[in-house]
Amino acid sequence: DTAVSQTPKYLVTQMGNDKSIKCEQNLGHDTMYWYKQDSKKFLKIMFSYNNKELIINETVPNRFSPKSPDKAHLNLHINSLELGDSAVYFCASSAWTATNSPLHFGNGTRLTVT
Amino acid sequence: GQQVMQIPQYQHVQEGEDFTTYCNSSTTLSNIQWYKQRPGGHPVFLIQLVKSGEVKKQKRLTFQFGEAKKNSSLHITATQTTDVGTYFCAPDKGSGGSNYKLTFGKGTLLTVNP
Repeated sequence: DTAVSQTPKYLVTQMGNDKSIKCEQNLGHDTMYWYKQDSKKFLKIMFSYNNKELIINETVPNRFSPKSPDKAHLNLHINSLELGDSAVYFCASSAWTATNSPLHFGNGTRLTVT
Repeated sequence: GQQVMQIPQYQHVQEGEDFTTYCNSSTTLSNIQWYKQRPGGHPVFLIQLVKSGEVKKQKRLTFQFGEAKKNSSLHITATQTTDVGTYFCAPDKGSGGSNYKLTFGKGTLLTVNP
């Protein structure tokens, strides 16, 4: 009964390939996020969706395209992968977008681009 | 933009010693959250502080929010090996609304020598 689940856990691929990461939450939350954590452990927000609507799009290359088919799912598709995309990608959800709603993170997807 | 500094970046202690990490903001905060990420794991919400001067305790962990709501600290008494991990503060200016995004400090990595 995992709250926020991402797949796959590990993803190793070559430069130029296209890959997707899936995320699902069963908490009934309205808001979902994608965060990128680099090798120095810095957590940086990429996207946020509220009830399937994109509300935050940080300075992220166009090669990254999130898709939210419903409020329980937020997938991340990455085109033309580059070496610099190697990182751990975390999906998260929160009950709402207000300032006092804790984030619940998935277990992360470790992406390695060779 | 909001400037947040989390110090120290690294801290190594002997088991049984105390540990403190600090989060300092250049602007007044609405609230601040703290997260812990075990090695290889995902960030887990610990606590949220909202009121000026607030102090909250969770067993050996003591969280404080400064009177001016610009600073916060997490103190662990008598560290144990289970405390190992990276501790992140997540300060919020309180803009709220649909464009709310939670940003994270760079974290303090705590290692404990048994």
